[in-house]
Amino acid sequence: GAGVSQSPSNKVTEKGKDVELRCDPISGHTALYWYRQSLGQGLEFLIYFQGNSAPDKSGLPSDRFSAERTGGSVSTLTIQRTQQEDSAVYLCASSLDGLGPQHFGDGTRLSIL
Amino acid sequence: SQQGEEDPQALSIQEGENATMNCSYKTSINNLQWYRQNSGRGLVHLILIRSNEREKHSGRLRVTLDTSKKSSSLLITASRAADTASYFCATDAREYGNKLVFGAGTILRVKS
Repeated sequence: GAGVSQSPSNKVTEKGKDVELRCDPISGHTALYWYRQSLGQGLEFLIYFQGNSAPDKSGLPSDRFSAERTGGSVSTLTIQRTQQEDSAVYLCASSLDGLGPQHFGDGTRLSIL
Repeated sequence: SQQGEEDPQALSIQEGENATMNCSYKTSINNLQWYRQNSGRGLVHLILIRSNEREKHSGRLRVTLDTSKKSSSLLITASRAADTASYFCATDAREYGNKLVFGAGTILRVKS
């Protein structure tokens, strides 16, 4: 597709379970970002991948959060042992070179029961 | 507090009126960007203004940047009901590793 694609669009899971969220960026975009957005709030930066460089993980809130980007394309964000405070919308974005506009997916709405 | 902060938090206007949203930030920036978010959707990039620019236009959008006051404004002229959305400013600053830092947004409601 032409845009950033995220799956699943909604995820409901029980506290303590692990979840994996997927992001397919725009083809050819070297930069990929993950953000978290709580209800009615702005975006909280989580992690940033740029080409083959080591990712910037400075926004990950705890060691339960990790992310990978395979082959410079698809990325997965994994949350282990989920907690209720992890409930939020997780947004992925990509940009051509990390310097200009970011293109967002529609997010994954994660609900932890 | 956050690098970018918008005001007002919420704005309600009649269709046809102009809407002005403001953004203040704290550090020197490379550029400032404005995004729109419709309910339940991702963010859509509207306009990017570089630190050496003072004003930029795109259709009904006008963005100004005052680096001396560390502030920016987004003006939407002749608003339409379809402009109802949340609007976010985001700053790209060397201090933050050239990552975008988003404000909490302004919720705009345009009544028809």
